[in-house]
Amino acid sequence: NAGVTQTPKFQVLKTGQSMTLQCAQDMNHEYMSWYRQDPGMGLRLIHYSVGAGITDQGEVPNGYNVSRSTTEDFPLRLLSAAPSQTSVYFCASSYPSPGLAGSGTQYFGPGTRLTVL
Amino acid sequence: SQQGEEDPQALSIQEGENATMNCSYKTSINNLQWYRQNSGRGLVHLILIRSNEREKHSGRLRVTLDTSKKSSSLLITASRAADTASYFCATDNYGQNFVFGPGTRLSVLP
Repeated sequence: NAGVTQTPKFQVLKTGQSMTLQCAQDMNHEYMSWYRQDPGMGLRLIHYSVGAGITDQGEVPNGYNVSRSTTEDFPLRLLSAAPSQTSVYFCASSYPSPGLAGSGTQYFGPGTRLTVL
Repeated sequence: SQQGEEDPQALSIQEGENATMNCSYKTSINNLQWYRQNSGRGLVHLILIRSNEREKHSGRLRVTLDTSKKSSSLLITASRAADTASYFCATDNYGQNFVFGPGTRLSVLP
């Protein structure tokens, strides 16, 4: 199993550009999420999904869109990049979803380091 | 506000010493997890403790949970330079997501 994969690893954008950060998992996990981590900080939840076709907003959703058309993929779209979106982005998956018996172990991708000029 | 809050924010110890980090939270939890993050890398799951458990061990790691005080501690015994990393707690508070604390930066000096 590849686990959770993220592409690209590094990206530089200009203000106003759009792009999609890719995330895929091959563990058949129903729960997937996107976090951003700013220097010296913890993780803040952007969006999450409890299954294909179901997404919801996290703590900091503004400026980002997500979709979940398959169990495996959970892309994150930056609509119009801003310097405030310079950060490291992590995708994670787990099974079962939070709140359910047996939940808890999250698997993280290696991250995408994004710089917006 | 953050559900999990780690304490201390930073910790420096000598190799061979024990390192203790604490996590406090505000609401009832389903479980609490601890993760390690090496510089520039993704988070790695270390250990999970459920709300009906009080203590768990995994190798040199020992986690305790006190639901009456809404707190958990992570003890790393006989620390090594390779333990240098940031450590995060995360809670499943019966919501639809996990909530992370800001982390503890551990430096183990040779």
